[in-house]
Amino acid sequence: SQKIEQNSEALNIQEGKTATLTCNYTNYSPAYLQWYRQDPGRGPVFLLLIRENEKEKRKERLKVTFDTTLKQSLFHITASQPADSATYLCALPPHSGNTPLVFGKGTRLSVIA
Amino acid sequence: DAGVIQSPRHEVTEMGQEVTLRCKPISGHNSLFWYRQTMMRGLELLIYFNNNVPIDDSGMPEDRFSAKMPNASFSTLKIQPSEPRDSAVYFCASSLEAGMLYEQYFGPGTRLTVT
Repeated sequence: SQKIEQNSEALNIQEGKTATLTCNYTNYSPAYLQWYRQDPGRGPVFLLLIRENEKEKRKERLKVTFDTTLKQSLFHITASQPADSATYLCALPPHSGNTPLVFGKGTRLSVIA
Repeated sequence: DAGVIQSPRHEVTEMGQEVTLRCKPISGHNSLFWYRQTMMRGLELLIYFNNNVPIDDSGMPEDRFSAKMPNASFSTLKIQPSEPRDSAVYFCASSLEAGMLYEQYFGPGTRLTVT
């Protein structure tokens, strides 16, 4: 069965550094992948979508890569700020079934001033 | 647009009671999703509707859970009878369509505590 793995432990980085979060998946090849941000007490908010034929996608300080050979997506935040502190979830279509998206458990990022 | 609206924001109830969660999707969105989020299991899809019709309810834990979408602007998720293991945050989300490339817009969630 499919599996989505994100860094289970929280990631702490210094303000101004680049944060890199990982989303690994197994047993199938999704056609696309989405990233969401979730703040405490709130619902997830969509950030970026990347298709399998796109190696990299950027939006302001955010960059997402999609390596279908490694079965991995990397999510980068450059020049990180304390306001970037949140949990980041990746989401992929399932290996089978009608559901549009299956979410990873997320990685909590803390940017320290 | 006000975004996805959920009510109540918090619900505390005793085991065995009926719980009804409500959701108003974004106007013009044709797909609606109900999720449950816990620390242990993360964000799990319970059921989703497309054009008010349930498409996939394979995530509904058991017969105690039911969901309805009587019209394009309203959906309910009901738990009867509730149990302590149902304690979680329940999110409603909507999207333009149910296709894989459409982003989902989430509501603020309902935090349910069953004692």
